[in-house]
Amino acid sequence: QVQVLQSGAEVKRPGASVKLSCKASGYSFTNYGIAWVRQAPGQGLEWMGWISGSTGYTNYAPNLQDRVTLTTDTSTSTAYMELMSLRSDDTALYYCARSLHYMDVWGKGTPVIVSS
Amino acid sequence: EIVLTQSPGILSLSPGERATLSCRTSQSVTSSYLAWYQQKPGQAPRLLIYGASNRATGVPDRFSGSGFGTDFTLTISSLEPEDSAVYYCQQYGRSPMCSFGQGTKLEIK
Repeated sequence: QVQVLQSGAEVKRPGASVKLSCKASGYSFTNYGIAWVRQAPGQGLEWMGWISGSTGYTNYAPNLQDRVTLTTDTSTSTAYMELMSLRSDDTALYYCARSLHYMDVWGKGTPVIVSS
Repeated sequence: EIVLTQSPGILSLSPGERATLSCRTSQSVTSSYLAWYQQKPGQAPRLLIYGASNRATGVPDRFSGSGFGTDFTLTISSLEPEDSAVYYCQQYGRSPMCSFGQGTKLEIK
C-alpha cells in the first residue's frame, strides 16, 4: 500500500544537526513531492518545506530556510530533511507527507528532542 | 505573507449535532489549494478535504467543505463521538508556499 516510513527518534544537543529520512513505497516517487511538517508539543502544525520527487526543486518556510535542507534519493525513493544549528524550540514531532498541493499520505512522525 | 485564522478555537457539541468550522485567509486563495485535516491525539494528521470541497478517499460523507476567496468552511453534518479531534485548514500557493491555520479543537460531549 501507499506509505511513507520515517526514521527513528533523535536526541541532539543544542547547536548540532539532525538528518531525518522518509522512505516512500507503493507509488511512483517522482510523480509527487514530499512535504515536511513539524509539531511542537501541544502546538499546531508548522510547514517546513517541500521538495519535488522528480526535479529536486525545493521551497522552504521563510523562518527556516537558513537552517533546513531537503534532499531526495530517487534510487531508493527516500527523502531527507536536515536541520542545522538546533535549538531547544526545535524539539518537536517531525512528519513527512506525500504532497502536491495537499498532503494525502503521512508518516507516523519522528520525535526530535533538543536538550543539553 | 498569508495568514489563516480558524474559528472557533474550541467547539463543544453533542453527538448528532452539526459542526461548522471556519477558516479565513488574509489573502484570496484559489479554491483548488485549500485543504482540511483531522488530527486525533497521538496520531498523524489525516487529509479530509482537498480543493475546498472534495472529500479524500474513505472520508465519511457527513464531512463537507465549502467556500471560496478568503472564507472557507468545514461542516460535519451529524457528529459522531469519533469526530473528536483538532481540525486544521491549509493553503497552498500563496507566500509562503504552504501554511496551516492554528486549528479548531472539536470536543464531543
